[in-house]
Amino acid sequence: GDSVTQTEGPVTVSESESLIINCTYSATSIAYPNLFWYVRYPGEGLQLLLKVITAGQKGSSRGFEATYNKETTSFHLQKASVQESDSAVYYCALGAQGTGSKLSFGKGAKLTVSP
Amino acid sequence: NSKVIQTPRYLVKGQGQKAKMRCIPEKGHPVVFWYQQNKNNEFKFLINFQNQEVLQQIDMTEKRFSAECPSNSPCSLEIQSSEAGDSALYLCASSPTENTLYFGAGTRLSVL
Repeated sequence: GDSVTQTEGPVTVSESESLIINCTYSATSIAYPNLFWYVRYPGEGLQLLLKVITAGQKGSSRGFEATYNKETTSFHLQKASVQESDSAVYYCALGAQGTGSKLSFGKGAKLTVSP
Repeated sequence: NSKVIQTPRYLVKGQGQKAKMRCIPEKGHPVVFWYQQNKNNEFKFLINFQNQEVLQQIDMTEKRFSAECPSNSPCSLEIQSSEAGDSALYLCASSPTENTLYFGAGTRLSVL
């Protein structure tokens, strides 16, 4: 089946340091998977951080970036300089294009940014 | 802030009891999903609807779980006879006519 494997938390980084959270995927039933990063901030619900639908493209949001690499089946999340407010749980996900397509999620990486 | 409203936030039931949770999707979103997130943070897709019709559901959902999304009423997920293994965070999400999911805050079910 379709699956996502990602860095599992906890991940601890000092403020202003760089971050990378790894994500690799396996899409056996989806010809052209779309890739997502979702984030859950403390006390809040899961929300979309960024999405990329085309291989080779890069998505970015709130200073985070992720590039859809079809050759290595990866979608790593990176940020050059993290802030304390980035402390959250980050989930990588994949799904097929189209209305009603369910997403397959990784187990999440809990990021703690220390001041 | 999420526009998907889930109630209740917390639900405590004894084994064998019914557990029912509700979800109001974001306005204009025709597709609704239910996921279960267990204590290991694993997501399990349960069922999805498009305009009140079931699109997909897993075997578990067919046996002890029931769900519906009637028009002009909240969607609901009900566990007929709760088991300890059902203790989890139940997430409702809605989606417009593409594949981005917008999640509610979830209902945390504890089965004692």
